[in-house]
Parts: sequence; structure tokens; C-alpha cells
Amino acid sequence: GDSVTQMEGPVTLSEEAFLTINCTYTATGYPSLFWYVQYPGEGLQLLLKATKADDKGSNKGFEATYRKETTSFHLEKGSVQVSDSAVYFCALITNTGNQFYFGTGTSLTVIP
Amino acid sequence: DAGITQSPRHKVTETGTPVTLRCHQTENHRYMYWYRQDPGHGLRLIHYSYGVKDTDKGEVSDGYSVSRSKTEDFLLTLESATSSQTSVYFCAISEYSGSYNEQFFGPGTRLTVL
Repeated sequence: GDSVTQMEGPVTLSEEAFLTINCTYTATGYPSLFWYVQYPGEGLQLLLKATKADDKGSNKGFEATYRKETTSFHLEKGSVQVSDSAVYFCALITNTGNQFYFGTGTSLTVIP
Repeated sequence: DAGITQSPRHKVTETGTPVTLRCHQTENHRYMYWYRQDPGHGLRLIHYSYGVKDTDKGEVSDGYSVSRSKTEDFLLTLESATSSQTSVYFCAISEYSGSYNEQFFGPGTRLTVL
């Protein structure tokens, strides 16, 4: 079945450090891939997405590239800020489906 | 921000009591979803709707029922709440299915079953 596996947290980084959060997937068909972010006490917000292989999604300095050969969609940011502290979820949906499949989430804390 | 509200935002109830959570949208989106969020599990789909009176089960539907009598409202009912249903519940909406599906989430309802 379809599923998403993302690296376990929590992750703690100093401000301006480089961030990578790993995400791999298993899917039938041709999935679209997403990263969502959840700030404390709030719902999830779409951070970025990619709908086909080799697409790069980007937003607010975050990037992720859809790698079909490695079934991965790793999230990266070159220089994190305290305001990036949140929980990050990787997710997929197949081109024939109605259901999203979410990873378990990775908590990021950025310290000054 | 997408117009999605959830009510109540917090609820404490006792085992065995019925509970209904409401999701209301002002976007006229076709699809609506109910998820629960638990530590170590991420978000898991409970039920979803693809139109008025059209619903389907998700991954963790046991113990839950839903109804959608209007485009804008999607109700989640726990007929007889159990402690295992203590969780944070999120509603989401989307306009499309498949690859163009982009979900927008409500603020969540924190439910505690004692």
C-alpha cells in the first residue's frame, strides 16, 4: 500500500544551520508529494509540493526535489531561523486517489 | 487562509457519551476530510466526503460516523466515546482529487475522553 516514511525527531539546530529532513515513499501509480508544516496550536499548512519526477518544490527558503529513482522527497533549508521551529510532515497522494498519506512528523526546534 | 472552522475547539467528555464535532467551510470545496493526530502516528484519515451525502471510510474509521447534508458542513460523530479516541481532530478540505489535490486544514479540536 501507499505510505510515507520520514526521519524521526526531534531535531534541534542552531540558528543559521543547514536543515535536512528525510522523506521516502512507497506508492502505486504516480504520486504527488507534499511537505506540510504545523506551528504550535495550529493546523497544518502546505509548505511546498511537487507533482512529477524531478520537480523541485520551494517556498520560504525550503526546497525539496521529487526523486523517483530513490523514491525520496527530502526537505532542505540552507539557513534555519528560530521562526522555523515547528513540526514538518511529508505526505503523498496518488494521481488516482482521494486520500493523503502522511508521515509521522518531524519536530524541529531552532535555538538562537 | 482557507475559510475552515471547527467546533468545539476543546472538549472533555466521559466514556460512553456521544460526541459530535463540526467542520464548516466557506470555500465551496467538494472534498472534506476528518483526521486524527496522535503522537507517533502523524495524521490518520478517519472518513472523507466527496460530495453531499457521499462519504467513504479511511484508515481508522471504526467507532466513528460522519454526515454531510450540505456542502459546507461535515460532521464527525463518536457514538459512544472511548479513552482511545482522545486525540486532536483535524478537518481538511480540497477542491480536487488526485494529483491536483491540495488540502487546507482547520485549526483542530482537542478531545479528551475520561
